[in-house]
Amino acid sequence: AQTVTQSQPEMSVQEAETVTLSCTYDTSENNYYLFWYKQPPSRQMILVIRQEAYKQQNATENRFSVNFQKAAKSFSLKISDSQLGDTAMYFCARGGSNYKLTFGKGTLLTVNP
Amino acid sequence: ETGVTQSPTHLIKTRGQQVTLRCSSQSGHNTVSWYQQALGQGPQFIFQYYREEENGRGNFPPRFSGLQFPNYSSELNVNALELDDSALYLCASSLALDPAKNIQYFGAGTRLSVL
Repeated sequence: AQTVTQSQPEMSVQEAETVTLSCTYDTSENNYYLFWYKQPPSRQMILVIRQEAYKQQNATENRFSVNFQKAAKSFSLKISDSQLGDTAMYFCARGGSNYKLTFGKGTLLTVNP
Repeated sequence: ETGVTQSPTHLIKTRGQQVTLRCSSQSGHNTVSWYQQALGQGPQFIFQYYREEENGRGNFPPRFSGLQFPNYSSELNVNALELDDSALYLCASSLALDPAKNIQYFGAGTRLSVL
């Protein structure tokens, strides 16, 4: 089975600081897509950032950026200037030619005031 | 807000019963995927519908079935409920099957409890 692994079940960070969430994945495909989704207590999955595997440049969205290491099959998420509203479960996911998303087990991030 | 709505938000059923969960996709989206998220786990892919046809299925038994309607609303049906079916069920809609465009937008889910 092609898997997505998030090795940090829980993390915490002080408000305004930077935190990095880790993700590794397995795939036999050349063209695939990687995603970070955020799931707050409201349960609705919200797309944070997306990376296309054929692009070498790391994706960024405001305070969110990724470190994509294709050879190592690693896809970490960096959150800068953490805010209280960033508190949520974060899921790493891989999408490929079969159009389904394969998710990791998630990392619970708590931002402390 | 993703524009994807699911109903009901919570549901309690007993073992052996049947359940229907509903999803209204974002306007214009022709693809819907359903996921099961057990407590403390990441979502697992159940199946996907594209233009009213099933287009891929995960490792779920046939008692999990679906429908997609011309207005792009959809249903997930589960027969002969088992205790392990207790989970959050998420639907996600997207515009096309092209992975380059296939950003999936999720609803808030239906929490199903099987007693």
